Amino acid sequence: GNSVTQMEGPVTLSEEAFLTINCTYTATGYPSLFWYVQYPGEGLQLLLKATKADDKGSNKGFEATYRKETTSFHLEKGSVQVSDSAVYFCACSGTYKYIFGTGTRLKVLA
Amino acid sequence: DTAVSQTPKYLVTQMGNDKSIKCEQNLGHDTMYWYKQDSKKFLKIMFSYNNKELIINETVPNRFSPKSPDKAHLNLHINSLELGDSAVYFCASSQDSGYEKLFFGSGTQLSVL
Repeated sequence: GNSVTQMEGPVTLSEEAFLTINCTYTATGYPSLFWYVQYPGEGLQLLLKATKADDKGSNKGFEATYRKETTSFHLEKGSVQVSDSAVYFCACSGTYKYIFGTGTRLKVLA
Repeated sequence: DTAVSQTPKYLVTQMGNDKSIKCEQNLGHDTMYWYKQDSKKFLKIMFSYNNKELIINETVPNRFSPKSPDKAHLNLHINSLELGDSAVYFCASSQDSGYEKLFFGSGTQLSVL
């Protein structure tokens, strides 16, 4: 079945630093790929998605590109803010099932 | 208007008890899910339903029984609660079978004492 591997956290950065969170997947067929964000005490919210190879998803300064050749979907942001502190999940779609990575906690210090 | 709502938000109970969590979505979606998130934030799918029919049961103990009275509702009943059932349970829905995004409820924190 499909699986997702993402880098372990926690990741601690200073405000305005560059962020990369690595994510790789294994899947049959052509899944959609997602990044979700979870703030304390809340459910997951979609951050961005890509549905086919070479698509770039972007939202709120975050970006990720669907790379079929390396089976990766790394999350990047050029300049993080304190308000970006949260847990980030990479996910891969499957038939009636979404597979999530283990989550990466990001802490941004002022 | 909340898209996916689940109740209760917190549930504290004794081992051996039976409890239910309710979930409703007002998005007109065909597919609904239950996910379990453990203390390390790991999210694992438990069940998925499409138009009230069970599609995925991810080797969940049969103490857990989902019920979908209509496609807008997916409830979760848990019998004989165990300490290891303590977790956050999330309901979610999607428009199709797995290519569009998931909409999540805000979660139910279950604590079994």
